[in-house]
Amino acid sequence: AQSVTQPDIHITVSEGASLELRCNYSYGATPYLFWYVQSPGQGLQLLLKYFSGDTLVQGIKGFEAEFKRSQSSFNLRKPSVHWSDAAEYFCAVGGEDTGRRALTFGSGTRLQVQP
Amino acid sequence: SQTIHQWPATLVQPVGSPLSLECTVEGTSNPNLYWYRQAAGRGLQLLFYSVGIGQISSEVPQNLSASRPQDRQFILSSKKLLLSDSGFYLCAWSSGTDTQYFGPGTRLTVL
Repeated sequence: AQSVTQPDIHITVSEGASLELRCNYSYGATPYLFWYVQSPGQGLQLLLKYFSGDTLVQGIKGFEAEFKRSQSSFNLRKPSVHWSDAAEYFCAVGGEDTGRRALTFGSGTRLQVQP
Repeated sequence: SQTIHQWPATLVQPVGSPLSLECTVEGTSNPNLYWYRQAAGRGLQLLFYSVGIGQISSEVPQNLSASRPQDRQFILSSKKLLLSDSGFYLCAWSSGTDTQYFGPGTRLTVL
């Protein structure tokens, strides 16, 4: 069965500092990987996704993520955090053998940005 | 472009009352549709998914049911709400790939 682990429940960074959110997955085949962001009381917005090809993917709002098959990881990064980035971030995994089934999500990492 | 709507945005219901949450998608046809629940401080739990009209798959046994009466309409229901049904309910759609797009959610409080 597929699974996603986000080991950091809560992270606090200063505005302008760099950010890395960790995501590890378990999946038997080639995974499709996603990062979503959720502001309080809102739905989830897709930041970026990886299906195949270049293992470094660029997303919206200046985010990027790198797929590392050997480490089963898909960490999210941003070189300089803005106060508006404070939100909850979810990593998710899916794949070709899931058919029409839904993604498996991690439990989320809450990001707090200090001025 | 595609859009997804959910209503109501918030709902407060007494224990034992019925429930009906609606989700509609515009700008696409034959989407896959999903209902998730997000409890406070928790991740997303898949409740139901549908690949077509009248086709519903349930992921977990529970007090809820889902229906898809039209191609782009997905309804989450309950005959009698429990306290444990409180949470944030998210509808999502996908088409052709595994990328899912989420609605704004419904905050349900059962008292």
